[in-house]
Parts: sequence; structure tokens; C-alpha cells
Amino acid sequence: AQTVTQSQPEMSVQEAETVTLSCTYDTSESDYYLFWYKQPPSRQMILVIRQEAYKQQNATENRFSVNFQKAAKSFSLKISDSQLGDAAMYFCAYRVSGTYKYIFGTGTRLKVLA
Amino acid sequence: SAVISQKPSRDICQRGTSLTIQCQVDSQVTMMFWYRQQPGQSLTLIATANQGSEATYESGFVIDKFPISRPNLTFSTLTVSNMSPEDSSIYLCSVRGQGDGEQFFGPGTRLTVL
Repeated sequence: AQTVTQSQPEMSVQEAETVTLSCTYDTSESDYYLFWYKQPPSRQMILVIRQEAYKQQNATENRFSVNFQKAAKSFSLKISDSQLGDAAMYFCAYRVSGTYKYIFGTGTRLKVLA
Repeated sequence: SAVISQKPSRDICQRGTSLTIQCQVDSQVTMMFWYRQQPGQSLTLIATANQGSEATYESGFVIDKFPISRPNLTFSTLTVSNMSPEDSSIYLCSVRGQGDGEQFFGPGTRLTVL
């Protein structure tokens, strides 16, 4: 069975600094997607970044980038120049290509300190 | 992208009663999904709702407890029946984006059962 593990229940980062959130997953599939979603206090889940497993290049979206290590089944999120608005719960998620079912990790609560 | 609204945004209910949660999407979608997010935990898929057919439930969830309606391509309801305090959760509606893309989530309904 596929699983997604986020081992950091909570992280803190100073404003303008960089923080990395960890995610590991387990799967026997070769074609899949990985996602990082952000859930602020408003509860609205927002897609932060997406990585396709067949792409070796790490995805980047402005201040957000991932370190995708397929062999190690690791998918960490790096947030650069952290802002107060980045404070939220971050969920790592996995989905097999062509299917609709997502597997979510337990989340990491990120606090940004002014 | 898709804009999703849910009603109610929150409710406090008595044990043994039922609550129906509405989900409205601003575009026509084939598949709609209902998730549960228990306090401090990750998102768990309850069921998939296709228009014109019975909902498909995930392991651990049954139609008698969580009946779902899907009367058209932009609307769905989830009912939480015969509620107990263990049903206290956030319930989220989501839809799948175009192609093999991301899912979009509603703002969630925070349910507290006393």
C-alpha cells in the first residue's frame, strides 16, 4: 500500500530565512505525481507545487522548490525568503498517474516568526 | 482552476442528529470528492461522487452513514447521519482539474458534535 510520511509535526522559521519540510513516501508504482498543498487557518487547501515522477528536474514555483529523490522516495519542500503569509499547515500528497485517489501525509505546521 | 464553495462553513450539532453539507462548483465537473480531516490528522477520502451514478465509498465509510447526492455536474451534498462526537471533523469537497492535474478544494465545513 502506498503511504506518505511527514516526520515533522511542526517547524518554525524566521522571516526571510529558508526552511525545508520533509516528506517520504512508499510505492511500487513508477508513474505518479507528488504534491505539496498549503492549508492556512482559513482552511482553504492551495496547491503549492507539483512534481511528476518521470521528470528528473526538480519543480520550482517562485520561492518554493522541491528536492525530489526518486530512488530514496523523498520529496522535500524548500521555502526561501519565508514570509508571514507562509504560515500554514503543509501537506505532502501522492497520486498514481491516471487515478484520482490522493494519499496525504499527516502535515507539518509551519510557523513564521517576525 | 475551479472555485468551490461549501455550506455551512461550520456547525455545532447534537449527538444523534444529521447534517447535510453542500458543495457548489463554478464549472461542470465529472468527479467530485468528499474528504474528512479529523482534528490534527490528515485528509482521508470518504467517497467519490459521479453525476448520474451511485457514489463510490472508500474502505471504512458506508452509504448509510454518509449518504451522498450528485444531482448535477456542479453540485453535491454529503450527509453525516446519526452523528456522534467521533464525527467531529472538517469535511472538504474537492474536484479534479483538467487532465491529470491537481485537485481543487473547497474551504471545508467544520463540524462539532456534542
